Amino acid sequence: AQSVTQLGSHVSVSEGALVLLRCNYSSSVPPYLFWYVQYPNQGLQLLLKYTTGATLVKGINGFEAEFKKSETSFHLTKPSAHMSDAAEYFCAVSVIAAGNKLTFGGGTRVLVKP
Amino acid sequence: NAGVTQTPKFQVLKTGQSMTLQCAQDMNHNSMYWYRQDPGMGLRLIYYSASEGTTDKGEVPNGYNVSRLNKREFSLRLESAAPSQTSVYFCASSESDRGNNEQFFGPGTRLTVL
Repeated sequence: AQSVTQLGSHVSVSEGALVLLRCNYSSSVPPYLFWYVQYPNQGLQLLLKYTTGATLVKGINGFEAEFKKSETSFHLTKPSAHMSDAAEYFCAVSVIAAGNKLTFGGGTRVLVKP
Repeated sequence: NAGVTQTPKFQVLKTGQSMTLQCAQDMNHNSMYWYRQDPGMGLRLIYYSASEGTTDKGEVPNGYNVSRLNKREFSLRLESAAPSQTSVYFCASSESDRGNNEQFFGPGTRLTVL
């Protein structure tokens, strides 16, 4: 079975500062990794995903994440936070043998201070 | 395209009452999913349907039933609601059940069971 751990349920950053959200996964087979964002009172929207190939993945809104197999990590970063980045972020994993069933981390809520 | 739609948006039930949450997608997707979201626990898969005519249990199926009515619609039924089922419910769909497929989420149904 797969699992995902997101370190920090809440993160506070200043506008213009680096955003770093941590995600570690556990999987016995090669994983597919996803970051989703949830704005208040909305559904989830895909930010980016890693399937195969290049380990540095770029997504929407200036976010990127790097798959590090040796560290079983898939941390999400954005160089400069914007007020509109205030949301909850979820890391998720699936594997080819288990269909497209996603296992989510607990989520990290980002607060952006002016 | 409306994407994934869910009805109702909000619902309050008394313990023991039943209800059906409706979900429809207009993207011609083959696979559909029901998740519940609870604070600090991310999203957990209740049931999924890899293709029309098939359904299977996810991580937390107890107390729920589903029906894949046709390719577009996937409903979730609570036969006898319990306070532990107070949650936000999300429906999602994807093109197939391959593990690298993006899932598209609806806006959610906020359910309170008294």
